[in-house]
Amino acid sequence: AQSVTQLGSHVSVSEGALVLLRCNYSSSVPPYLFWYVQYPNQGLQLLLKYTTGATLVKGINGFEAEFKKSETSFHLTKPSAHMSDAAEYFCAASSVASGGSYIPTFGRGTSLIVHP
Amino acid sequence: EAGVTQFPSHSVIEKGQTVTLRCDPISGHDNLYWYRRVMGKEIKFLLHFVKESKQDESGMPNNRFLAERTGGTYSTLKVQPAELEDSGVYFCASSPMRLPVDYGYTFGSGTRLTVV
Repeated sequence: AQSVTQLGSHVSVSEGALVLLRCNYSSSVPPYLFWYVQYPNQGLQLLLKYTTGATLVKGINGFEAEFKKSETSFHLTKPSAHMSDAAEYFCAASSVASGGSYIPTFGRGTSLIVHP
Repeated sequence: EAGVTQFPSHSVIEKGQTVTLRCDPISGHDNLYWYRRVMGKEIKFLLHFVKESKQDESGMPNNRFLAERTGGTYSTLKVQPAELEDSGVYFCASSPMRLPVDYGYTFGSGTRLTVV
């Protein structure tokens, strides 16, 4: 079964510093990969996704992620953190399941804390 | 377009009572998914509807949980009788029938269920 591991339940950075949120997946077949963000009292919002093609994916709000098959990773980065980036971030992977459907599997989430 | 709507946003019930959660997907989205997040843990898949049919219900924890999607529009998730361990945030997501991984999955804001 597919599993997604997010290293670090909390990541703390200073405003303007690099943001790096780690995600590794377990799958013998490269899955489709997603990063979602959840702001307080809101739903999950898609940040970016990798399906096929270019391994460096750019998303909203200046975030990007790189799919590295050899490392089974899909880490999320942003060059310069902003206070408004404080939220919880979820990595998800989706492979074809029985019956041909795709069911995303989520990690435990990483809370990003941004200090002024 | 309107997003995925869930209600109630919060529900506090006593152990042994019944609660029904509702999800209205984006109009025209045939795929509907239910997920649950227990505090501090990963977002776990519960089940997947394609139109009114249950495509995959492998994540349903036990027979106290009943999901329906009559007419292939909105869905309900009933918990009867509720237990303390059912507390958590229940998310609903929808996606179009064709190429859901390319489109992504649109999530609602969730229902926070507290069983006391």
